[in-house]
Amino acid sequence: KAGVTQTPRYLIKTRGQQVTLSCSPISGHRSVSWYQQTPGQGLQFLFEYFSETQRNKGNFPGRFSGRQFSNSRSEMNVSTLELGDSALYLCASRTLNTRYNEQFFGPGTRLTVL
Amino acid sequence: TQLLEQSPQFLSIQEGENLTVYCNSSSVFSSLQWYRQEPGEGPVLLVTVVTGGEVKKLKRLTFQFGDARKDSSLHITAAQPGDTGLYLCAGENNRDDKIIFGKGTRLHILP
Repeated sequence: KAGVTQTPRYLIKTRGQQVTLSCSPISGHRSVSWYQQTPGQGLQFLFEYFSETQRNKGNFPGRFSGRQFSNSRSEMNVSTLELGDSALYLCASRTLNTRYNEQFFGPGTRLTVL
Repeated sequence: TQLLEQSPQFLSIQEGENLTVYCNSSSVFSSLQWYRQEPGEGPVLLVTVVTGGEVKKLKRLTFQFGDARKDSSLHITAAQPGDTGLYLCAGENNRDDKIIFGKGTRLHILP
């Protein structure tokens, strides 16, 4: 079974621009979560989508948004980029119909904002 | 607010030594996962523990879930340079399926 895939792997943007990151979950997984990871703050939860609906949300400003498509693929968008948005963005997928629901991560997208 | 505290934050030891990493919370979890992450890559799932008191072994790694399902430990025997990485624990809330992560233990094994 193929793992979680994320595109692109690396991205360089300038302040004020916007960016869209893509994530394809493991086949059969309908939940997709996004995380931001920085050296200082660790892994921080952005949001989780399930069946095209946002299920949970972390404490990030409205510049961070996401969506999920009917095939469970998900995109994350960051508008008006700031220097502090430079980070590794991780996507993870899981099922939500079992006794426990292991989360599997993609390789991440390294975003650098100049 | 649920918290999952990992200790130690950093650990640097010689090859061949043993070590234990801890993950503690006041919350009960339906399951707890341990991940290892290398720089620039996504975390890789090592193990999931589900039952209170459960012990799982993965070669030289031993994982234990506390009896009350609030804490867990990871013990590495005879550490090797290949064990170097960031170890993360993550607990799944037994009420609403939310997952919370610890801040991680950065482990460095010196050859």
